[in-house]
Amino acid sequence: QQQVKQSPQSLIVQKGGISIINCAYENTAFDYFPWYQQFPGKGPALLIAIRPDVSEKKEGRFTISFNKSAKQFSLHIMDSQPGDSATYFCAAPNTGNQFYFGTGTSLTVIP
Amino acid sequence: DVKVTQSSRYLVKRTGEKVFLECVQDMDHENMFWYRQDPGLGLRLIYFSYDVKMKEKGDIPEGYSVSREKKERFSLILESASTNQTSMYLCASSFAARGHEQYFGPGTRLTVT
Repeated sequence: QQQVKQSPQSLIVQKGGISIINCAYENTAFDYFPWYQQFPGKGPALLIAIRPDVSEKKEGRFTISFNKSAKQFSLHIMDSQPGDSATYFCAAPNTGNQFYFGTGTSLTVIP
Repeated sequence: DVKVTQSSRYLVKRTGEKVFLECVQDMDHENMFWYRQDPGLGLRLIYFSYDVKMKEKGDIPEGYSVSREKKERFSLILESASTNQTSMYLCASSFAARGHEQYFGPGTRLTVT
């Protein structure tokens, strides 16, 4: 069974700082690693995803870094803003069309 | 815009009641999923359906069943609700091909008393 270990469980960052969330996985059926963002009272929504034919993907202030040999990937939020305060989930693909999700990181950005 | 809707945002039921949670998606997705979300445990897959009338157990299927009679609708059934089923329930859908994102509904907060 796939395990996805996500850390930290919670994170407090000053406005303008860098938020870093890490995930490690065990095995993968194929290469597609998404990050989801969830605001209170809402369902998770796709934030950014990477197919590891590249080691890094950047979209605006959000960057995924991928280390295939170490089976680790991370989310970096540059210039963190109070509006980024949310719960973030990483996910790793299981066989078929399923994903295993990390346990989530609650990010609070202090103004 | 993809829309995944869930029948209730909040639900309070008594122990032993039969509970139905409904989910509808409007994007003609083949796959549909039911998760429960608990603090510190993340999203755990209860059941998965890849086609009408087809289903697969996820990681925590005990105490739950599902029904998919139409492509757009996926129902989660708690045959006899128990207090340890108090949770947030999230429905999601996606295309069948690998590497496609899952679209989530807003969730149903179920409390079993």
